[in-house]
Amino acid sequence: SQTIHQWPATLVQPVGSPLSLECTVEGTSNPNLYWYRQAAGRGLQLLFYSVGIGQISSEVPQNLSASRPQDRQFILSSKKLLLSDSGFYLCAWSKRFTGGDYGYTFGSGTRLTVV
Amino acid sequence: GESVGLHLPTLSVQEGDNSIINCAYSNSASDYFIWYKQESGKGPQFIIDIRSNMDKRQGQRVTVLLNKTVKHLSLQIAATQPGDSAVYFCAENKADSNYQLIWGAGTKLIIKP
Repeated sequence: SQTIHQWPATLVQPVGSPLSLECTVEGTSNPNLYWYRQAAGRGLQLLFYSVGIGQISSEVPQNLSASRPQDRQFILSSKKLLLSDSGFYLCAWSKRFTGGDYGYTFGSGTRLTVV
Repeated sequence: GESVGLHLPTLSVQEGDNSIINCAYSNSASDYFIWYKQESGKGPQFIIDIRSNMDKRQGQRVTVLLNKTVKHLSLQIAATQPGDSAVYFCAENKADSNYQLIWGAGTKLIIKP
């Protein structure tokens, strides 16, 4: 069965510090991978998605970047965090060739607080 | 469409009553719709899906209704329980994409004892 791992669960970082959040998927190959951010009491905002190694698409201009060094590894980074980067970050995967099944599986999320 | 900047609307329901959560979708070409449940501090979890060639699908205590004429999707939860307290998101597949979803704003369901 497929599983998705996301860590850390909670992170408190000072303004100006770097960030690295990691997400890995097991039990599948060639997944589509996604990073979402969710502000408190708000909806889901797509930040990045990837359809293959080294292929990253950004949905919104921001202080963050993403990388996919391996097929089942997706990393969210920042060189210098801003207060506005605080939020709940979610990684998700879906099948590459969906065959009509567009379902996403989400990780457990990372609560980032920038202080 | 996506409404990530808005505060979530809230629905309060008495325990044991039925809940109906509504969603308006944006694209008449969408052919796949999903409902997700997000409990506090957790990632969203799949509840039920429906394809555009159907107008109703039932799961365990949940029913999804699709009205393509008015582009409306609803999730019905029977005999609502305290464990149903969560934020519920609808999503539709994005046109011209074979994998991306467009997310609704979400609805916060509160269960009154």
